[in-house]
Amino acid sequence: GAVVSQHPSRVICKSGTSVKIECRSLDFQATTMFWYRQFPKQSLMLMATSNEGSKATYEQGVEKDKFLINHASLTLSTLTVTSAHPEDSSFYICSADKTGMNTEAFFGQGTRLTVV
Amino acid sequence: AQSVTQPDIHITVSEGASLELRCNYSYGATPYLFWYVQSPGQGLQLLLKYFSGDTLVQGIKGFEAEFKRSQSSFNLRKPSVHWSDAAEYFCAVGGGATNKLIFGTGTLLAVQP
Repeated sequence: GAVVSQHPSRVICKSGTSVKIECRSLDFQATTMFWYRQFPKQSLMLMATSNEGSKATYEQGVEKDKFLINHASLTLSTLTVTSAHPEDSSFYICSADKTGMNTEAFFGQGTRLTVV
Repeated sequence: AQSVTQPDIHITVSEGASLELRCNYSYGATPYLFWYVQSPGQGLQLLLKYFSGDTLVQGIKGFEAEFKRSQSSFNLRKPSVHWSDAAEYFCAVGGGATNKLIFGTGTLLAVQP
């Protein structure tokens, strides 16, 4: 199988602080990972494409300085929500492509972020 | 523009009844089509996918979907629904070199005894 692990699964932080979410491919290498955001009772919206060893590609309307993405290795991508505000509260999910096999994206369990 | 439409926001079926969840897509190239299921507070589980070949695709948990190019549809079906199927279902489209996906708005399935 192909397992993607996200950590933490839930996090509560104070306004103005930063939060880091990790996305790890446990048993495969992932050149490309994706970060999605899901608002309550809504669909998943792609935020950015994370490429190992290079800068992330952000979707239109996503603030790159607010949502920092780092993909320093073939098994780890991180999303840091900087200076978090209550409107950043959401469900964040990552997915990973197996290097050399672009036939399915494997999703993490998601992270519920609540900013108070 | 690339998009996925799931016309039904919420569907309720009786346990044992058949199910069909609708999905229509707009995509400029040959689409790769997916159905995912999400339980509350959880990530996504892939039910099935279509890339090419046979237009009727079998998936896990007894689900199947049929790709109809002429109708730009990829409807999900199950002949007999179980209470454990209650969840949210997402249709998604992608293609090309990576698995960047465009999701529909989801259909919330409730199963009544």
